[in-house]
This record gives sequence, C-alpha cells and structure tokens, in this order.
Amino acid sequence: DSGVTQTPKHLITATGQRVTLRCSPRSGDLSVYWYQQSLDQGLQFLIQYYNGEERAKGNILERFSAQQFPDLHSELNLSSLELGDSALYFCASSAGTENYEQYFGPGTRLTVT
Amino acid sequence: GQQVMQIPQYQHVQEGEDFTTYCNSSTTLSNIQWYKQRPGGHPVFLIQLVKSGEVKKQKRLTFQFGEAKKNSSLHITATQTTDVGTYFCAGRAISSGSARQLTFGSGTQLTVLP
Repeated sequence: DSGVTQTPKHLITATGQRVTLRCSPRSGDLSVYWYQQSLDQGLQFLIQYYNGEERAKGNILERFSAQQFPDLHSELNLSSLELGDSALYFCASSAGTENYEQYFGPGTRLTVT
Repeated sequence: GQQVMQIPQYQHVQEGEDFTTYCNSSTTLSNIQWYKQRPGGHPVFLIQLVKSGEVKKQKRLTFQFGEAKKNSSLHITATQTTDVGTYFCAGRAISSGSARQLTFGSGTQLTVLP
C-alpha cells in the first residue's frame, strides 16, 4: 500500500459525458501528479500540482482539467469523453518536486462506451 | 520534446537466466528513476540515479547511469518468478524547459518462465 488513494476504482461512462477522478496523496506529500496509461502503453504525464499550484503540464488535452485543493487532494476532470480516453489513470504523489520518488495510487480504470 | 526510449519492449526468460533492459534519452538527464509495475498493479519506485556513471545494486538488481547521463540500464541476475512485471525508466531532462517533468520510457515487459 503506497498510501495514495484514488476513487473510484472503476468507471464506465458514455461518450460525451464528463467524469471526475479523485486522488488523496500520501500524508505529508505536497506534489500530486496525474498519468494516463492506455493498453500496452507507457505512462503519459498529464499534469503536476505542488501545494495547490500547477507546477508542470504534459500532454494534457484541453478537455481535461485538474486542480489541487487546500487539503492537498486533487481531482482530474475529463469532459466530452471519447472512446480513446478509455485508459487507466494514475495519481502519484511525492514529498517535493523534482528529485523525489513518486508513490502511485492503485489507479482508476475508465471505460468509455 | 524529450523522448525516453526503452528496449526491448518484451523479454521472455527462463527462471535463473539474467535480464537487462536499456533506457536511452534524446536529451541529457538530471536524474533517472526506475519503477516496476506488476501485472494489474501500479508502478512502484525502485531507485534513483543522479551522478554520471553511477552504479547501484539492490540484491539481484544492478542499475547503471551512463557517463553522458543519456542512458541507463537495469540488470537482473538469476531471474525469479517474482521479477515478472513491466520495468519503466523515467528521466528528467536537464534543460530548463522540461526540467520539472519526469518522462517515462515505454517499459520492458518481463516474463519469467518457471
């Protein structure tokens, strides 16, 4: 158990819909990262927050947005969903920003039908 | 943008054989991390290398960071069935534009045959 929690575990929704994925980092960690992992694909970095502020942005679509709240939990919002958005979405946390190991949550499996 | 390539994509070995995965970056890295993801699981941090030419060992696992800080390798001696999983390298570019982003390689999926 990494100490990072993600909800829900599974999500099935239809194209065009909007969903919110939630992540609670390990106690004391200030950084939260979001990754997308499609079937047989590597981990695609989406976005990073550090202590409530956006720190780095990867290949995140405009239909996707995220935020980190004062209690440090984070939410990833995916809208106008397409079939290609079906993937495993991981949240990770770390104590700091650049030279810290990342602890991954169990992931949310999103299926868009 | 920064690219991190990993080879091979798949590797099947007999239990007891050695295994090596290689990671190559298109840009010089400030550090490199290695993660392992078991089937159906999430990535788990293994190690971080920071210095040029650095070598670190964890029991049967040996990690190397190239002299030019553009490549790295993970070698497993005498594989066991517990080594099954996908091994990812993840590098952070030294250039300021993408310094904060950790770029993951595509991973090497290891199968160990008993």
